[in-house]
Amino acid sequence: GAVVSQHPSWVICKSGTSVKIECRSLDFQATTMFWYRQFPKQSLMLMATSNEGSKATYEQGVEKDKFLINHASLTLSTLTVTSAHPEDSSFYICSARDRGRGLTGANVLTFGAGSRLTVL
Amino acid sequence: DAKTTQPNSMESNEEEPVHLPCNHSTISGTDYIHWYRQLPSQGPEYVIHGLTSNVNNRMASLAIAEDRKSSTLILHRATLRDAAVYYCILFGSNDYKLSFGAGTTVTVRA
Repeated sequence: GAVVSQHPSWVICKSGTSVKIECRSLDFQATTMFWYRQFPKQSLMLMATSNEGSKATYEQGVEKDKFLINHASLTLSTLTVTSAHPEDSSFYICSARDRGRGLTGANVLTFGAGSRLTVL
Repeated sequence: DAKTTQPNSMESNEEEPVHLPCNHSTISGTDYIHWYRQLPSQGPEYVIHGLTSNVNNRMASLAIAEDRKSSTLILHRATLRDAAVYYCILFGSNDYKLSFGAGTTVTVRA
């Protein structure tokens, strides 16, 4: 089945530094990937839609200059949290759609295991 | 976006069935009913989806009301590994992004 790999699974960084999280579709091509953020005891909040070869589409209230998204190939999207601060500490999850899963399954998303970011 | 309503939490005993309800009274004709679950400290995983007819797969069954305004996810024999947050989400044929509600937290007692 479709597999999405995220790296790193957890990261601790100092305030003011930048952190890059990678999201890879391992056995399928993904023209679109999605980045979510989840704070403790809360649901997932969609941050942005990553489009291969074009600019990402950000949800309302998400700072595009702070959360840089690059989708340079059909199997890789990266999220860079720039100048991270403690309030950016969260669980970041990416997902992708395997368009090869057929008509009724075309909208099924596969999620990565998540990346836990802690900013000191 | 059409909304769904789920109970906040549900408890079950191991080896017993679990019936998770979901209300979606404003569902449109092209909305698929999707279920995902999220185990602790992991990303969500797809469980099942359907449009009008009941669906079965190796993980669960999905029973859809005739008027499609509600559905029930059925875990036939709960195990401790089924303890998770279960999300019921409507996804239209023209939608491209998935929006999560609060979901139902399922606790399984040994």
